[in-house]
Amino acid sequence: SQQGEEDPQALSIQEGENATMNCSYKTSINNLQWYRQNSGRGLVHLILIRSNEREKHSGRLRVTLDTSKKSSSLLITASRAADTASYFCAINIGDGAGSYQLTFGKGTKLSVIP
Amino acid sequence: EADIYQTPRYLVIGTGKKITLECSQTMGHDKMYWYQQDPGMELHLIHYSYGVNSTEKGDLSSESTVSRIRTEHFPLTLESARPSHTSQYLCASSESGYTGELFFGEGSRLTVL
Repeated sequence: SQQGEEDPQALSIQEGENATMNCSYKTSINNLQWYRQNSGRGLVHLILIRSNEREKHSGRLRVTLDTSKKSSSLLITASRAADTASYFCAINIGDGAGSYQLTFGKGTKLSVIP
Repeated sequence: EADIYQTPRYLVIGTGKKITLECSQTMGHDKMYWYQQDPGMELHLIHYSYGVNSTEKGDLSSESTVSRIRTEHFPLTLESARPSHTSQYLCASSESGYTGELFFGEGSRLTVL
């Protein structure tokens, strides 16, 4: 499978704690993206990291990418109850025909307890 | 807030009915996609389009069909719905060229009895 695989499948933390989610993949990528999905809703893009980047920040989010290990992590600092959602990584592979697509993993379900 | 809209949000129909899920975006994006997602599961790409009159099947085989007659509109049709089609269908769009951020609609949850 070329999809990313998130770990853990579910994570429950107290408000104020940090949450770390991991994504592993098996092929070379152009970029890796993280999305959030609130229950029953569509996905919202959080952050994109290109294959030549190692770390990116956006507000309370920090994403790292290790292409040698084919893995990425998403860190949410000082979590809030409103961060409760499922988080998906998506990998952009591309191919010789130029049809670049995103392939999603199964997601990590984060619960932040007030 | 993404300018991509899906209707209906919820649909319950009987087996054998024909249904069309609508998706429209006002961002002028060339690329549009349909993903299927079962509860708590990953998204599977079922159709995509790189522009008007361009449609391709995705990784997951689907009995649905799509059309792209206008840039902003990418409807999905099931000619004869079955209980196995019960799922959430998510429409998305992105700018042309290098695949970056996808903008998703709120989804259409289909239940076939």
